[in-house]
Amino acid sequence: KAGVTQTPRYLIKTRGQQVTLSCSPISGHRSVSWYQQTPGQGLQFLFEYFSETQRNKGNFPGRFSGRQFSNSRSEMNVSTLELGDSALYLCASSKQSTSGSPADTQYFGPGTRLTVL
Amino acid sequence: AQSVAQPEDQVNVAEGNPLTVKCTYSVSGNPYLFWYVQYPNRGLQFLLKYITGDNLVKGSYGFEAEFNKSQTSFHLKKPSALVSDSALYFCAVRDMTRYSTLTFGKGTMLLVSP
Repeated sequence: KAGVTQTPRYLIKTRGQQVTLSCSPISGHRSVSWYQQTPGQGLQFLFEYFSETQRNKGNFPGRFSGRQFSNSRSEMNVSTLELGDSALYLCASSKQSTSGSPADTQYFGPGTRLTVL
Repeated sequence: AQSVAQPEDQVNVAEGNPLTVKCTYSVSGNPYLFWYVQYPNRGLQFLLKYITGDNLVKGSYGFEAEFNKSQTSFHLKKPSALVSDSALYFCAVRDMTRYSTLTFGKGTMLLVSP
């Protein structure tokens, strides 16, 4: 079974631009979560989507948004990029269910390395 | 609020020696605990998880972890380290509520010398 895929793998943008990152979950997985990883802050939760609905949101400004499509693929968008947005953005998928079991394992993609100049 | 502490930024061990990477957690109620490993320029790979039952959990690549409720710890162990085990290790916790999110520790860099 193919793992979680993320595109693009690397991205360079300048301040003020916007960016869209894409994530394809493992086949059959309905939940997609996004994380930001930086050396200073570590891994921080951005949001989680399940069946095209945002089920959880982390403590990030409104410039960070996402969506999920009917095939469970997800995108996240960052508008008006700032230097501090430079990070590795990780997507993770899990089988999940409508009951939202916390026991489900999240499987991560390779990440998108975003550099903001 | 739930939290995870990994008290060591780096652990150094010689190949063939046992290794331990420490993790303590704080959560309301019973925890679900996870260990992940990250190699350079890669995403996180799942190693093992504790849900309930036996306090000793066995996972991938010969790793195991011991859940200790009284000490709120979930230390990762391996009897004999390999140079290829050198990587960044993350401990994570979730509480038992529906839709709870995963909270990660800061990570511990494991360096195994030949």
